[in-house]
Amino acid sequence: NAGVTQTPKFRVLKTGQSMTLLCAQDMNHEYMYWYRQDPGMGLRLIHYSVGEGTTAKGEVPDGYNVSRLKKQNFLLGLESAAPSQTSVYFCASSYSHAESGELFFGEGSRLTVL
Amino acid sequence: GQNIDQPTEMTATEGAIVQINCTYQTSGFNGLFWYQQHAGEAPTFLSYNVLDGLEEKGRFSSFLSRSKGYSYLLLKELQMKDSASYLCVPKDSNYQLIWGAGTKLIIKP
Repeated sequence: NAGVTQTPKFRVLKTGQSMTLLCAQDMNHEYMYWYRQDPGMGLRLIHYSVGEGTTAKGEVPDGYNVSRLKKQNFLLGLESAAPSQTSVYFCASSYSHAESGELFFGEGSRLTVL
Repeated sequence: GQNIDQPTEMTATEGAIVQINCTYQTSGFNGLFWYQQHAGEAPTFLSYNVLDGLEEKGRFSSFLSRSKGYSYLLLKELQMKDSASYLCVPKDSNYQLIWGAGTKLIIKP
């Protein structure tokens, strides 16, 4: 039972470089989310998707892009990384938005931008 | 605005009982989650309340009072592995989850 898998787990980038974080879930969930978590703060929603082919902005979308070409995958892209994007990124999925759709999280991706 | 108020840190003794309180203010309300997050790990689901009252699940119980904007998580028979952060996460009228920094619980032998 893989659940939610994120790759890579760790990455160090230089300012201005680009990268893509991949999230894959095998639970057939419609909803997928990308969060970032900084020390001493709560999770902040970057982008989310309510189904294949759809994406929407969350609380802190600037500097990030996403795509959901396949239901099981949700990609988060950084086109030109900045030090302010140093953070731990969590992907999550849920079967429902309105009901008790608990979130299932990936292990996290730790990104450092120098 | 929307906000959550939880103690920043609590300390308890192994084998004891601890109650973590949470008050919240949201634009509408559609349920409240409690998540556990160990240091360096992802949050994991503990409980969900949508109606007033107590939900019991093993050593953990969660209570909700919608009229008071109040919830608590009760942990019984504390174990060292319960040392973690506990996140009170209400859902607003747009079904958006409101995340705070949570309560860091330290268990001492």
